[in-house]
Amino acid sequence: EAQVTQNPRYLITVTGKKLTVTCSQNMNHEYMSWYRQDPGLGLRQIYYSMNVEVTDKGDVPEGYKVSRKEKRNFPLILESPSPNQTSLYFCASSLEIRTEAFFGQGTRLTVV
Amino acid sequence: AQSVTQLGSHVSVSEGALVLLRCNYSSSVPPYLFWYVQYPNQGLQLLLKYTSAATLVKGINGFEAEFKKSETSFHLTKPSAHMSDAAEYFCAVSDPMQGKLVFGAGTILRVKS
Repeated sequence: EAQVTQNPRYLITVTGKKLTVTCSQNMNHEYMSWYRQDPGLGLRQIYYSMNVEVTDKGDVPEGYKVSRKEKRNFPLILESPSPNQTSLYFCASSLEIRTEAFFGQGTRLTVV
Repeated sequence: AQSVTQLGSHVSVSEGALVLLRCNYSSSVPPYLFWYVQYPNQGLQLLLKYTSAATLVKGINGFEAEFKKSETSFHLTKPSAHMSDAAEYFCAVSDPMQGKLVFGAGTILRVKS
């Protein structure tokens, strides 16, 4: 089954404790991206990657890092999480930017 | 840069009534436009997309959208709402030049019985 898998689904952490949210897709997609969803703001892009070893900042990249060492995986790293990063995070993949994006189930992160 | 405006953060309709969710975009190039739906506690899934083949686009679950270049709009409609249509709907435009998919703020659709 074609899917995008994110882990964990829920995470509560403390300020400053490094964390990684994993994202994996099995569709051989070139394009992957991370979004955060906040009420009234829709989805805002954090980082995206057009291919292996190619990543670029989205609209809200501060406080986040990503890597794309292999095509299927695109982890999101928060080196020092802060409470303003409490949000719902989605990973998505697509063949390329003009085609349908497939979304993971989301990761609800709470930073206290 | 591309941008998307969804008019109305909440829309409420009666079961069986017409659903109309509004989306306006700004784009300096021919746009690729999408509507996604998000059910509670789930990720987004594609309802339909416009890729310049036809101005009236049909999607899943009886939804359709019409691309109107003169109005820079891509409104989503469904003739008869079902209770199962209650969800949040997002309009999005892709910006190939910048490698971005830009979303609107979303519209929560409530269907009353």
